[in-house]
Amino acid sequence: DAKTTQPTSMDCAEGRAANLPCNHSTISGNEYVYWYRQIHSQGPQYIIHGLKNNETNEMASLIITEDRKSSTLILPHATLRDTAVYYCIVRVWGNQGGKLIFGQGTELSVKP
Amino acid sequence: SQTIHQWPATLVQPVGSPLSLECTVEGTSNPNLYWYRQAAGRGLQLLFYSVGIGQISSEVPQNLSASRPQDRQFILSSKKLLLSDSGFYLCAWSENQYEQYFGPGTRLTVT
Repeated sequence: DAKTTQPTSMDCAEGRAANLPCNHSTISGNEYVYWYRQIHSQGPQYIIHGLKNNETNEMASLIITEDRKSSTLILPHATLRDTAVYYCIVRVWGNQGGKLIFGQGTELSVKP
Repeated sequence: SQTIHQWPATLVQPVGSPLSLECTVEGTSNPNLYWYRQAAGRGLQLLFYSVGIGQISSEVPQNLSASRPQDRQFILSSKKLLLSDSGFYLCAWSENQYEQYFGPGTRLTVT
């Protein structure tokens, strides 16, 4: 599975959009991009995933560049409850029981 | 709806003692099951995963073991705990390989 690179930490003002980048320059054609987040002392929570098209759900939007070497998770109106560590994960569909390999993630702090 | 349970929520054990953490899932059949560990201030490390009863794959060599005696039950065990086994243990399940759903976790302190 391809490796990902994320900034260690980011700040965002409450009510503004939070844009979290992820580089995955070695991604292969059959690898998906997944985003999870972990609020302090809780288990991770699935946010969104995509292959090559942009995706949107009730939580966030995922923008994947045309060459698929990077992506951005967008929280359109960040709230204090969005403060968490955000993980970008790349993996092949259906590989080895669907296991996820978590990196260090980006610690997002939403400030009032 | 599906729910995942883990217990105990917190545990303090002396070095050399045994360990048994249990995870159960309700509301789904034949899920993939996972055990992760998160050491203080670090990311999640996958320990074991299972695609069916009695089928266990180990990701890292260690003094821990896992078993899946029933379809929706996943157990993490150790015969003798080490100080380095301290951490936050998370169980997760998935059925469609899009999303994994995590339990509340067990915080283990080995003293």
